[in-house]
Amino acid sequence: AQSVSQHNHHVILSEAASLELGCNYSYGGTVNLFWYVQYPGQHLQLLLKYFSGDPLVKGIKGFEAEFIKSKFSFNLRKPSVQWSDTAEYFCAVNAAGGANNLFFGTGTRLTVIP
Amino acid sequence: DAGITQSPRHKVTETGTPVTLRCHQTENHRYMYWYRQDPGHGLRLIHYSYGVKDTDKGEVSDGYSVSRSKTEDFLLTLESATSSQTSVYFCAISGSGNNEKLFFGSGTQLSVL
Repeated sequence: AQSVSQHNHHVILSEAASLELGCNYSYGGTVNLFWYVQYPGQHLQLLLKYFSGDPLVKGIKGFEAEFIKSKFSFNLRKPSVQWSDTAEYFCAVNAAGGANNLFFGTGTRLTVIP
Repeated sequence: DAGITQSPRHKVTETGTPVTLRCHQTENHRYMYWYRQDPGHGLRLIHYSYGVKDTDKGEVSDGYSVSRSKTEDFLLTLESATSSQTSVYFCAISGSGNNEKLFFGSGTQLSVL
């Protein structure tokens, strides 16, 4: 089965700082990779996803992520965070062409200080 | 937002009682899922459905059952609630492709005392 590791549990940044959140997965085959965001008191929503093609994918709100197959990683980046980016971020994976259910990481809480 | 409604939004119950949570969608999506969200564990899949009367277990299915008699409704039942089932429960839906995104409901906060 697939699994996902997010090593940063809580990240605190000042506005305008750059962000990189780590995500590593374990699975030997081809994968689909996702980043979801959960703003305080809200449900999860998709930031971006990768399933084929260019390993650098761009999502909403200025976020991007790079799939590095050799490192089994899919790190999320944003060059300049805003206070409104304060949220919890979840990386998720499933096996390409397999069952639809996603395996989620434990999440990284991001706090952006104005 | 996708048309997903979870009910109830909040519930407090006692240990040993049965509880049913409902997820209703208006998107006609094939796949429906039940996840629980707990601090330090992220989201874990309880059960999912890939069509009417077609369901399968997720990674934390013990103590839970599901039913899907109509495309739009997916019920999660705790046969005999335990304190370890205190959690936030999210329903999600998706189309048929396995690289499609999940749309999540607003969640149900369940407290088992």
